[in-house]
Amino acid sequence: NAGVTQTPKFQVLKTGQSMTLQCAQDMNHEYMSWYRQDPGMGLRLIHYSVGAGITDQGEVPNGYNVSRSTTEDFPLRLLSAAPSQTSVYFCASSYNRDYKDTQYFGPGTRLTVL
Amino acid sequence: LAKTTQPISMDSYEGQEVNITCSHNNIATNDYITWYQQFPSQGPRFIIQGYKTKVKNEVASLFIPADRKSSTLSLPRVSLSDTAVYYCLVGDDSNSGYALNFGKGTSLLVTP
Repeated sequence: NAGVTQTPKFQVLKTGQSMTLQCAQDMNHEYMSWYRQDPGMGLRLIHYSVGAGITDQGEVPNGYNVSRSTTEDFPLRLLSAAPSQTSVYFCASSYNRDYKDTQYFGPGTRLTVL
Repeated sequence: LAKTTQPISMDSYEGQEVNITCSHNNIATNDYITWYQQFPSQGPRFIIQGYKTKVKNEVASLFIPADRKSSTLSLPRVSLSDTAVYYCLVGDDSNSGYALNFGKGTSLLVTP
């Protein structure tokens, strides 16, 4: 199993550009989520999904869209990039949305918005 | 959703035992306590989970007193490679709203 994969690893955008961060898992997990991590900060939840076709907002959803058309994929879209979105983005998955379930994280995408 | 409080940072020398305590005064009956570890430039990874008393695995031990209002992650004889951020999470599967609140964690620095 590849686990949770994220692409790209690094990305530089100009203000106003849009892009999609890809996340895929091959563990047949129902729950997937996106976090952002800023220097010296913990992880903040952006959006999550409890299954294909179901998504919901987390703590910091503004400026981001998600969709879940398949169990495996959970892309994160930046609609119009802003410097405040410069961060490291982590995708995670687990069998269920359950604190008892182990969360598996991807390697992260480091995004810089100029 | 149980709120957790843990130290922002800790320092240790190689070979010492490190204990990181997490306070969760409003822990609910069904809540589990889970710890994650995050190395620089990597995503967090699961270390250990418990409900009460003591849990031990090849990486760490988790001590939970009877009232469950706190828990202590114990790392025996740390090495430089244990330098990481450690997150304490408390919750169960009935939480609504935001899932898996990681907070800021405890940044552990191990030096020679």
